[in-house]
Amino acid sequence: DTAVSQTPKYLVTQMGNDKSIKCEQNLGHDTMYWYKQDSKKFLKIMFSYNNKELIINETVPNRFSPKSPDKAHLNLHINSLELGDSAVYFCASSQVRTGSGYTFGSGTRLTVV
Amino acid sequence: QKEVEQNSGPLSVPEGAIASLNCTYSDRVSQSFFWYRQYSGKSPELIMSIYSNGDKEDGRFTAQLNKASQYVSLLIRDSQPSDSATYLCMIKAAGNKLTFGGGTRVLVKP
Repeated sequence: DTAVSQTPKYLVTQMGNDKSIKCEQNLGHDTMYWYKQDSKKFLKIMFSYNNKELIINETVPNRFSPKSPDKAHLNLHINSLELGDSAVYFCASSQVRTGSGYTFGSGTRLTVV
Repeated sequence: QKEVEQNSGPLSVPEGAIASLNCTYSDRVSQSFFWYRQYSGKSPELIMSIYSNGDKEDGRFTAQLNKASQYVSLLIRDSQPSDSATYLCMIKAAGNKLTFGGGTRVLVKP
């Protein structure tokens, strides 16, 4: 079983559309994250949830809204997509209490045309 | 100054040699330090974590931490072509603030 799974793997959509990316982890971790990796390969944290509670909310447009229905799931909804949103989005999880490293999902390559 | 800095490379290393990667950080209260490897088109995978000053060895990898000088390094001994990837340094500071460096691309030539 995949530890951190995210869907879809590829997403091509037009400007102005609304789309969601889903993420699930079966590691029993208490914290989940969304990262964005741009064309220059720079990884930047967007959001972090600990036990369904938002604990990190970096400066991202409010068109991006995370939703955590339970501590095993963290979805990312994006409204009014723009060309600059094209990137690879990675979901990750960790057990903050034990200071473990982060396990990443396989990524979602979003292309806005 | 960026919070976490790495030389972007590429760092070209002959097969069998030692690859030495450096990462400097600006936040003095940084607590945890991680090295990730990312192959092209794949997700980052954790290879080492280090929390206290000194060296930590795991197989062919050695992480070195010097909090006074605010740097953490990664040594890859007996480099193999399969080690060719981008290596990302990640720092966790107080308040669970997480920051990645820009990554160093390593090329191991047979």
